[in-house]
Amino acid sequence: GAGVSQSPRYKVAKRGQDVALRCDPISGHVSLFWYQQALGQGPEFLTYFQNEAQLDKSGLPSDRFFAERPEGSVSTLKIQRTQQEDSAVYLCASSLTTGTYGYTFGSGTRLTVV
Amino acid sequence: AQSVTQLGSHVSVSEGALVLLRCNYSSSVPPYLFWYVQYPNQGLQLLLKYTTGATLVKGINGFEAEFKKSETSFHLTKPSAHMSDAAEYFCAVLNMGGSTLGRLYFGRGTQLTVWP
Repeated sequence: GAGVSQSPRYKVAKRGQDVALRCDPISGHVSLFWYQQALGQGPEFLTYFQNEAQLDKSGLPSDRFFAERPEGSVSTLKIQRTQQEDSAVYLCASSLTTGTYGYTFGSGTRLTVV
Repeated sequence: AQSVTQLGSHVSVSEGALVLLRCNYSSSVPPYLFWYVQYPNQGLQLLLKYTTGATLVKGINGFEAEFKKSETSFHLTKPSAHMSDAAEYFCAVLNMGGSTLGRLYFGRGTQLTVWP
């Protein structure tokens, strides 16, 4: 597609519920990143894929967070047993290759845990 | 390790006035630096970037930034603010080596308000 597409745009989850956030990167983009942006903060790195390989997941805040990109294109970020502190905007970004300057970001998914 | 400090979480200017948003970085290697803009309920849009070469870089919407190595700064400027510039602005540094290759480190953002 022309840009990075994320769905849903908004998600309200009850505490303890599992959620899945989808990212559809630009076609052909090798690198894919997930970032978490808490209210009033800058985005913070969660995880990074190169094709289907998850090369860095050091930013995932707990083992409740899981990400996958099984065919090297669409990626899903899953959060199990959501907590209130998980409320944030989750941004996905892709680039042609790692280090290609200026990743293209999606519009994000705003997750609210109540 | 890389880090970014944006001085001033809120900046207000009158329409037509100079915009100056400050960014200082810390990097153990020559930095690649970026400014992004975020409008409400939207993702991040790249304004401009510095990689190598000319230290004064021009971006979209009339913005420019100057890389000053001696001051570890990458301040964003625009000579004349427009109402449509009201948004949140993020400075970021890209890690180009090691185990965190390709990771962007963002500042906390500066909210720009433009008064008519």
